Amino acid sequence: GIQVEQSPPDLILQEGANSTLRCNFSDSVNNLQWFHQNPWGQLINLFYIPSGTKQNGRLSATTVATERYSLLYISSSQTTDSGVYFCAGPSGGYNKLIFGAGTRLAVHP
Amino acid sequence: GAVVSQHPSRVICKSGTSVKIECRSLDFQATTMFWYRQFPKQSLMLMATSNEGSKATYEQGVEKDKFLINHASLTLSTLTVTSAHPEDSSFYICSVGLAYEQFFGPGTRLTVL
Repeated sequence: GIQVEQSPPDLILQEGANSTLRCNFSDSVNNLQWFHQNPWGQLINLFYIPSGTKQNGRLSATTVATERYSLLYISSSQTTDSGVYFCAGPSGGYNKLIFGAGTRLAVHP
Repeated sequence: GAVVSQHPSRVICKSGTSVKIECRSLDFQATTMFWYRQFPKQSLMLMATSNEGSKATYEQGVEKDKFLINHASLTLSTLTVTSAHPEDSSFYICSVGLAYEQFFGPGTRLTVL
């Protein structure tokens, strides 16, 4: 399967700041997802984005498949954005996912 | 997206006992479900693929005799941790696929004393 690397590993922001999280993958992918894991452990689907750009409110994501990376943008961050952000790509079978190590985000008021 | 439930949400058991965790797909039939494990402050690691009506397939390094998976119906997969030990304490999460996306259950936190 592919290897997935995320950066930065940790991020501390003041409320209202913007941030960019990066996901690099070792091979071409046909399935790339971003998740937010909240403090209770629930994984929340943010984007399914094997290529192109998508936006959902204050969040947007861009995947450049030819260059094997994806970016997650968080604008005007809020304390509720705190948690761990994971990207995940395919592992062998089409629906099996391999996760990056995550970016741990803390947004302070 | 798909709605996935897990039961129980947390369980504490004594070393040597077995624990069963249920994963249900609430709004569609899933021939395949996935089980992941997450240790504190670590990422999710795929343990096994649960296949309705056939044997589960396990990832390298996962003991199939220790982690028994039964996919008895198109909406239910169970993971049984047999003879649990403290090192099995972890957060267990299942997922189902809809189109090309995976949707995750809320997880089960297992603590083995």
